[in-house]
Amino acid sequence: AQSVSQHNHHVILSEAASLELGCNYSYGGTVNLFWYVQYPGQHLQLLLKYFSGDPLVKGIKGFEAEFIKSKFSFNLRKPSVQWSDTAEYFCAGRAQKKSSGDKLTFGTGTRLAVRP
Amino acid sequence: DSGVTQTPKHLITATGQRVTLRCSPRSGDLSVYWYQQSLDQGLQFLIQYYNGEERAKGNILERFSAQQFPDLHSELNLSSLELGDSALYFCASSPLGGNADYEQYFGPGTRLTVT
Repeated sequence: AQSVSQHNHHVILSEAASLELGCNYSYGGTVNLFWYVQYPGQHLQLLLKYFSGDPLVKGIKGFEAEFIKSKFSFNLRKPSVQWSDTAEYFCAGRAQKKSSGDKLTFGTGTRLAVRP
Repeated sequence: DSGVTQTPKHLITATGQRVTLRCSPRSGDLSVYWYQQSLDQGLQFLIQYYNGEERAKGNILERFSAQQFPDLHSELNLSSLELGDSALYFCASSPLGGNADYEQYFGPGTRLTVT
């Protein structure tokens, strides 16, 4: 079965600290991977996506993620967080199989709180 | 602003009632997806429509149904509501459906509270 897991449920950091949020996936076949962010009271916004090619993908707001196929991982990183990064972060996967349509399978989310 | 609109923003209703949530996809997008976000279940895929036809089904209860109209807007109907149906319901859209490298754009959601 397709699944996405996020290890950290709550993370608290001080401003300027580095961030790494873990994401592991379990899919058969080709997989597309995404990181979405949900700011308080707002909708999901795409941070970055991996479809193919360079496994190091850069997204908006200084975020990046690395697709490591051997580890089934797609961890999100940011070298220096800001207070405005306080939000919930979701890793999501999508299998490239016609039978599964286009549905995204989400991880449980990681709540990040950045202290000023 | 993703370009996906959802109405209403908030909905408060009683158990046993029926509600309809509406979603308008981004201009030109053919696929519409419905997701449910609740505290205990997280973000779960419910159903996908592509150009008016059901494309994929997830953990959607039999009490729930959806459709996509010729103008591509979609409605999610929830009936015989229970307290556990209280959640945030998101709609998303994308240009194509299946085997296509497109991202999904999410709307602001409808917060449903069942009392």
